Amino acid sequence: DGGITQSPKYLFRKEGQNVTLSCEQNLNHDAMYWYRQDPGQGLRLIYYSQIVNDFQKGDIAEGYSVSREKKESFPLTVTSAQKNPTAFYLCASSQGPGGHQPQHFGDGTRLSIL
Amino acid sequence: QKEVEQDPGPLSVPEGAIVSLNCTYSNSAFQYFMWYRQYSRKGPELLMYTYSSGNKEDGRFTAQVDKSSKYISLFIRDSQPSDSATYLCAYQGGSEKLVFGKGTKLTVNP
Repeated sequence: DGGITQSPKYLFRKEGQNVTLSCEQNLNHDAMYWYRQDPGQGLRLIYYSQIVNDFQKGDIAEGYSVSREKKESFPLTVTSAQKNPTAFYLCASSQGPGGHQPQHFGDGTRLSIL
Repeated sequence: QKEVEQDPGPLSVPEGAIVSLNCTYSNSAFQYFMWYRQYSRKGPELLMYTYSSGNKEDGRFTAQVDKSSKYISLFIRDSQPSDSATYLCAYQGGSEKLVFGKGTKLTVNP
C-alpha cells in the first residue's frame, strides 16, 4: 500500500538533546512538508521541500532542521534550540507544489519532554 | 482579521442527524478548498477537495463553497458514530502553503 510512514509514534526528549523524526513516503511525490499541531491550534508549517536537495522554511522553522537527500525521505531534527518542542508532528506529501496537488498526511509523531 | 475562522465546537449529535460544519476565510487569493478528517492520535485524512464555487458530493459528504461570501461548508448526511472525529478546513492559494482552521470536534452518539 502506498502511503506516508512516520516513526517513531512516540518520542521523548531530554534537556539539551537533539532528536530526529523520520518521514518516508512511497507515493513518488515530489513535495514533502512538516507541520506542528498543538492542542486548540491549527497546523503550522515548519519546513517544506519541493525537490530533492532543496527545502524552504515555513512559518515556525526556528529550532528545527531538515534534509532532503532522497525523494522518499524528509527527516526533521528538533534541536535543543527549540524551547517548547512538546507537540504532535505531522509529515505530508503532495505530487507537486501548489494547491492543485492536495497534501496527504502520515499518522504523526508525538514528542514530549522528559 | 484571522485568515481562517472555524468554530471549534465541540459538536454532539445523535446518530442519523445531518451535520453542518463551517469555515470562513478572508484571503481572496485562496483557490483550493479542502476538508480533512482527523481521528484521535492519527494524521489528517483528505476527505473533500474542490476549487470552484458550488457543491461537490461524495457519498454521505457534501462540500459547499461560496467564494463570493468566502465561506465553505461540509455536510454529513445520516451521520454515524464512526464519523466522530475532528474536521479541519484548509485553504490554499497558488503557493505551497496550506492554511488550516483549528478544527471542529464532532461526536456522533449512537
